[in-house]
Amino acid sequence: GNSVTQMEGPVTLSEEAFLTINCTYTATGYPSLFWYVQYPGEGLQLLLKATKADDKGSNKGFEATYRKETTSFHLEKGSVQVSDSAVYFCALIRGKLIFGTGTRLQVFP
Amino acid sequence: EAGVTQFPSHSVIEKGQTVTLRCDPISGHDNLYWYRRVMGKEIKFLLHFVKESKQDESGMPNNRFLAERTGGTYSTLKVQPAELEDSGVYFCASSSGTSGVRDTQYFGPGTRLTVL
Repeated sequence: GNSVTQMEGPVTLSEEAFLTINCTYTATGYPSLFWYVQYPGEGLQLLLKATKADDKGSNKGFEATYRKETTSFHLEKGSVQVSDSAVYFCALIRGKLIFGTGTRLQVFP
Repeated sequence: EAGVTQFPSHSVIEKGQTVTLRCDPISGHDNLYWYRRVMGKEIKFLLHFVKESKQDESGMPNNRFLAERTGGTYSTLKVQPAELEDSGVYFCASSSGTSGVRDTQYFGPGTRLTVL
């Protein structure tokens, strides 16, 4: 079946550190892949997406590359800020979105 | 352009009571989805409307949940009677449907439901 696996959190970093949140998927074919983010007290927001293999999605300094060889879509940012503290969800789409469990990121000054 | 809105933002009810959640999608979006996140677990799909028709309701947990989308605009999700395990955050999302299943879904802020 279709599924998404994310690294367990929380991820705790100091400001300006490098961030990687791992995401791997299992799916038939090549679905579009997404990262959503939920900031404290807010709803889910689309952070970035990639619609085909080798595509790179990017937004707000975050990047993720669709890797079909490793069935991965890892989220990266070169220098995190306190304001990046949130829960990050990786997802694929098969008509409906199929999410991972979410990874909480905490960034301290 | 207004985003997806949901009402109420929070609801606290007792076991056995009824609660109705409302979602207003982005204007012009034919696709409307309901999801929920229970106890910090993954966000799970509940159902999908295309206009006023239920396209996929495979994620609805049981017959205590009833979703409607009269006139193909806003949608309601009723839980009757509510049980403790229904507690969680209920999200609504909408998409335009112009690109088929690859469409980006835009989410509302969610309704946090607590059943005591």
